[in-house]
Amino acid sequence: AQSVTQLDSHVSVSEGTPVLLRCNYSSSYSPSLFWYVQHPNKGLQLLLKYTSAATLVKGINGFEAEFKKSETSFHLTKPSAHMSDAAEYFCVVGPLTYSSASKIIFGSGTRLSIRP
Amino acid sequence: DVKVTQSSRYLVKRTGEKVFLECVQDMDHENMFWYRQDPGLGLRLIYFSYDVKMKEKGDIPEGYSVSREKKERFSLILESASTNQTSMYLCASSLVGGSYEQYFGPGTRLTVT
Repeated sequence: AQSVTQLDSHVSVSEGTPVLLRCNYSSSYSPSLFWYVQHPNKGLQLLLKYTSAATLVKGINGFEAEFKKSETSFHLTKPSAHMSDAAEYFCVVGPLTYSSASKIIFGSGTRLSIRP
Repeated sequence: DVKVTQSSRYLVKRTGEKVFLECVQDMDHENMFWYRQDPGLGLRLIYFSYDVKMKEKGDIPEGYSVSREKKERFSLILESASTNQTSMYLCASSLVGGSYEQYFGPGTRLTVT
């Protein structure tokens, strides 16, 4: 069985300061992991993905995430927040096999607010 | 770039109407998905399809049906719309194999009055 937990429902940071959005996962196997971003009234956009290659994954818009197997974590970071980063962020665990393609697990989401 | 389009961004329907939501993807993806997104409930899978004419129920299929007659098109049907189906509906597609990342459309905000 797989699960994903986003530890914060809301994070607020000042513009120009670092961003940390936390995600823990549970999986019987080495999973695929993703971060998606959703701006208001828009669809979800893939930020980055981990697929058992490098543990530090770089994504779009300056975001990166580090896969830590010992901590079962996949936290999303950005060195310096920008006003345009204000959005909802979802951590996602991918399926184990083709036959379970429907079992992509979405976290509950973290709303990121940026203070001027 | 993968493109997933949805037929409407905003839709208002009356209770009891039959509603069709259309989704088209242009990257020859085998898998297609319909989700609904509600505040506090996150994304919930309604149905998915892994091939033409093939479908599987997701977590909340009640009150919905789907149709996939062509590989690029996946339709969600509300046979008799009800007010509790007011929601944001998101379509997505993915390849079979690889990392299975999903590509999403812009969403359809449906209001049933």
